[in-house]
This record gives sequence, structure tokens and C-alpha cells, in this order.
Amino acid sequence: DSGVTQTPKHLITATGQRVTLRCSPRSGDLSVYWYQQSLDQGLQFLIQYYNGEERAKGNILERFSAQQFPDLHSELNLSSLELGDSALYFCASSETGGTKNIQYFGAGTRLSVL
Amino acid sequence: DQQVKQNSPSLSVQEGRISILNCDYTNSMFDYFLWYKKYPAEGPTFLISISSIKDKNEDGRFTVFLNKSAKHLSLHIVPSQPGDSAVYFCAASGGQWGGGADGLTFGKGTHLIIQP
Repeated sequence: DSGVTQTPKHLITATGQRVTLRCSPRSGDLSVYWYQQSLDQGLQFLIQYYNGEERAKGNILERFSAQQFPDLHSELNLSSLELGDSALYFCASSETGGTKNIQYFGAGTRLSVL
Repeated sequence: DQQVKQNSPSLSVQEGRISILNCDYTNSMFDYFLWYKKYPAEGPTFLISISSIKDKNEDGRFTVFLNKSAKHLSLHIVPSQPGDSAVYFCAASGGQWGGGADGLTFGKGTHLIIQP
């Protein structure tokens, strides 16, 4: 058990809808990262938050947004969903936000867009 | 373009022998490399890492080697055990996203199968 909790485990929704994925980092970790794993692209970095502030954006679509709350949990919001958004979404956390940090991953949320 | 490449989608090794997983990278900014192991229906689990100032790091049965001039790293598992059967991901960071952030860039993984 990595200590990173993601909910829900599975999500099935329709095109055009909006969903929210939730992540609780390991106790004491200040940084949260979101990744998307699709069949053809592998694991892709979406966005990082550190202590409530956005730190960096990766390959995140404009339809997607995230935030980190004062208690350090994070939410990833996906809107106007398309079939191609079906993927595994992982959250990871690390102690600080700088480089050379080990990131610990949650078990993921599997999103199916029908 | 793929900045981290794992060219072998799968690798089969006999139990007790050495498993060698390879990874190549193209971005010279990368200065920290990690290996993760992933079982089905679970998230990636951290295995071992190496900073670019080193060329080798060892942790029990796992050793990672880094050849900066060739932009190549490898993970050695000795001896290989049945529980090592999983997908192994190579990942790299180095501030490629700016702001001192360390979002990881992953390879597509190698499925290691340990044969009894």
C-alpha cells in the first residue's frame, strides 16, 4: 500500500459529461501529480500541484482542470468527455515539489466513456 | 516524440537467471531516473532510482546502471524470481516542465515474464 488513495476505482459515464476524480496524498506529502495512462500513449504527466499551488502543466487538455485543497487532497476535473478520454488516471504524491523526488502512486481510477 | 524509450515490449527470463531491462532517453535535461514495477489493477510501485551524477545504484537484487554518454540505462534483477513478473517502467525527470517541477516522463514499459 503506497499510502496514496484514489476514488472512485471505476467510473463509467457518457460522452459530453463531466466527472471528478479524487486523490488523497501520503501523509506529509505536499506535492500531488496527475497522470493519464491510455493504451497507445503509456503514462503521461498531466499536472502537478505543490502545497495548493499549480507547479507545472504537462500534456493536459484544456477540458481538464485540477486543484489542490488546504488539506492537500486533490481533484482532477474532466469535462465535455470524449471517447478518447477513456483511460486509467493515476495520482502520485511526493514529499516536496522539486526534482529528484520519489513519487508514490495510487491504484488509479479507470474511466470509461461510452 | 518519445523522450524515454523502452524498445522491448516483453522479455522472458528463466527463474534464477539475470533479467536485464533497457531504457534509452533523448532529453539531455534529464538528471534523475527511476524504475517502477506495475502489476495489473495496481498503480506503479517505486523500485530504484539513480541520479545523473552516479553510474550505478544497487538495492538488494536490483541494480540500475546509467551511461550518460550513450543516454542509456538498464535495470538488472539477480536472481529473477516468479514474483518479479510484472510490467517495468523507466521514468525520467529533470525540470523538463519548468518551474523546478518534476513530472515524470515514462517509457511505455517492458513486460517481464519469469519462467519457472
